[in-house]
Amino acid sequence: QKEVEQNSGPLSVPEGAIASLNCTYSDRVSQSFFWYRQYSGKSPELIMSIYSNGDKEDGRFTAQLNKASQYVSLLIRDSQPSDSATYLCAVTRPGGTSYGKLTFGQGTILTVHP
Amino acid sequence: DVKVTQSSRYLVKRTGEKVFLECVQDMDHENMFWYRQDPGLGLRLIYFSYDVKMKEKGDIPEGYSVSREKKERFSLILESASTNQTSMYLCASRGSGETQYFGPGTRLLVL
Repeated sequence: QKEVEQNSGPLSVPEGAIASLNCTYSDRVSQSFFWYRQYSGKSPELIMSIYSNGDKEDGRFTAQLNKASQYVSLLIRDSQPSDSATYLCAVTRPGGTSYGKLTFGQGTILTVHP
Repeated sequence: DVKVTQSSRYLVKRTGEKVFLECVQDMDHENMFWYRQDPGLGLRLIYFSYDVKMKEKGDIPEGYSVSREKKERFSLILESASTNQTSMYLCASRGSGETQYFGPGTRLLVL
């Protein structure tokens, strides 16, 4: 089982719809969770971080974390064509010597069509 | 603004060559990371460094080494390049917070 797993997609949604991106992780003691967005040919950029169970909202983005189910998701409301990108889920490895090492999922390709 | 720069955007090397990839950050970050990114596999950690001259292996260190002589600079070395090292290489740095900041990446082709 992969440590961090995402549906690779592609996920295609119409403009204005809600895009839902999902991620599961295998290590129950993981503590910090991140969503990075990567445009084609560019490097990843952080868009959301979440550390405790529940929802965290930032503009059109909502991150949801359920530690009991080992599940983290990203909702994008009112999707725009400019949201078309690969979305990477990342999880911090626990432990004092981890130095903030991240484990990434393989990424979900999102396409928002007009 | 955090800035992470990488020495080359594109590189073409031949099998057996020694390859140096350089990464520089300007935010006095302690932690620096080297990843490679391949289709369907996501980002995989090669090596990271938590201080000058300190390094630890990541998940796929075979065929690679690193050097951190100065805090701002972290180099990835391919001792003898092979075709299976053709990939996108991404450097990242992290300070006291949780966020990793990525450089623009180096696309390496080994022929």
